[in-house]
Formats: sequence, C-alpha cells, structure tokens
Amino acid sequence: GNSVTQMEGPVTLSEEAFLTINCTYTATGYPSLFWYVQYPGEGLQLLLKATKADDKGSNKGFEATYRKETTSFHLEKGSVQVSDSAVYFCALRDNTNAGKSTFGDGTTLTVKP
Amino acid sequence: GAVVSQHPSWVICKSGTSVKIECRSLDFQATTMFWYRQFPKQSLMLMATSNEGSKATYEQGVEKDKFLINHASLTLSTLTVTSAHPEDSSFYICSARDRAGGGDTQYFGPGTRLTVL
Repeated sequence: GNSVTQMEGPVTLSEEAFLTINCTYTATGYPSLFWYVQYPGEGLQLLLKATKADDKGSNKGFEATYRKETTSFHLEKGSVQVSDSAVYFCALRDNTNAGKSTFGDGTTLTVKP
Repeated sequence: GAVVSQHPSWVICKSGTSVKIECRSLDFQATTMFWYRQFPKQSLMLMATSNEGSKATYEQGVEKDKFLINHASLTLSTLTVTSAHPEDSSFYICSARDRAGGGDTQYFGPGTRLTVL
C-alpha cells in the first residue's frame, strides 16, 4: 500500500534560518503530492502541491519538488518566521478514482525570535 | 477558494450517548467526502470514504456500526459516533473532493473536537 515517511520532529529554528523537512513516499502508480500545515487547534490548510514528476510547488516562500527518482518531496524555506510555527504534514493522493490521501506523521516546527 | 465547514467545532458528551458531526461543502458539490481521525500529536487516519447516494467505504479496522456515515446530498455528509466512549475522544476532520471542470482538489474542514466523559 501507499505510505509517507517524513522527518521526525520537533524542529526548532531561529528566525530567518533555513528550513528543510524531508519527505519520502511509497506508492503504486503516479500519486499527487502535498504539504499541509496545521496551526494549533485548527484543521489542515493546503500549503503547496505537485501533481507530476519534476513539478515544483510553492507558496508563501515554501517550496517542494516532486522527485520521482528519489521518491521524495522535501519541503524547504529559505528564511523562516515565528508565524511559520505549526505542524507540517506531507501527503500523497492516490490518483485513481478512489482519490484517497495518505499522510505522514507530521513534523512540528517551532521558530524562535 | 472553496470552503468546507464542520459542525459542531467541539462537543463534549457523556459516555454512552451518540454524537452527530456534519460536514458541508459550501460552494461546490462533492460526490465524495472523506472522514479522518486525528489523535493528539499524531497524523490523520482515514476512517472512511463517503459517497453520495451509496454506502460509505470503511477502512480496515474501523467499525461501521459505531461510526455511521450518511452522505444524503451533494453538499452534506454526517458522521455519527454511536454509544460514544472515552476512547472515541479525538479530533475528527472531514474533507470534500471537488472534481468540477476536470480538476480534482480536496478541501479540508476545520475539524471537530470530540470529548467523551
């Protein structure tokens, strides 16, 4: 079956530091890949996505590239802010008719001023 | 952008009672909705796929008689936790699938926090 493995947290960074959260996946077929962000007490918000190999998703300074050869979708941001503190989930979506999503375990990011 | 709402946002109930959670797609029609469960500091676990006009498809290990799903219209799915017990306390999140115009986007609701005393 499908699975997503992401870097264990928690991750603590100083403001303006570089962020990388690793994500690798196992899937049959050609899934779409996503990063979601969850702030305390809230639901998930889509951060960015990529639907095919070599696509780069980007939003709010975050970016991730769909690497089929390494089955990875690492999240990066050049300069984090305190407001980026949240839990980040890597996910894949089965592009068959079922459209099911599989999530990684989440990585908690804390950015200190 | 598209919005998915959940009601209630939080609920506290006594053990043995049933609780209904609603998931609505506010500005699009969703033939498919998904129900997830999230334990504190853990990932989302897919419970079931809700299909409009037909029976829900449950993931392995999820009791269909305990978690009743009804997808009666293209904008509403409900999850009823029957005879709730403290171990059912969790954050329940729904998502709705928008396939209009050849696209395929999943929008998540804000979640419902259930506490069973």
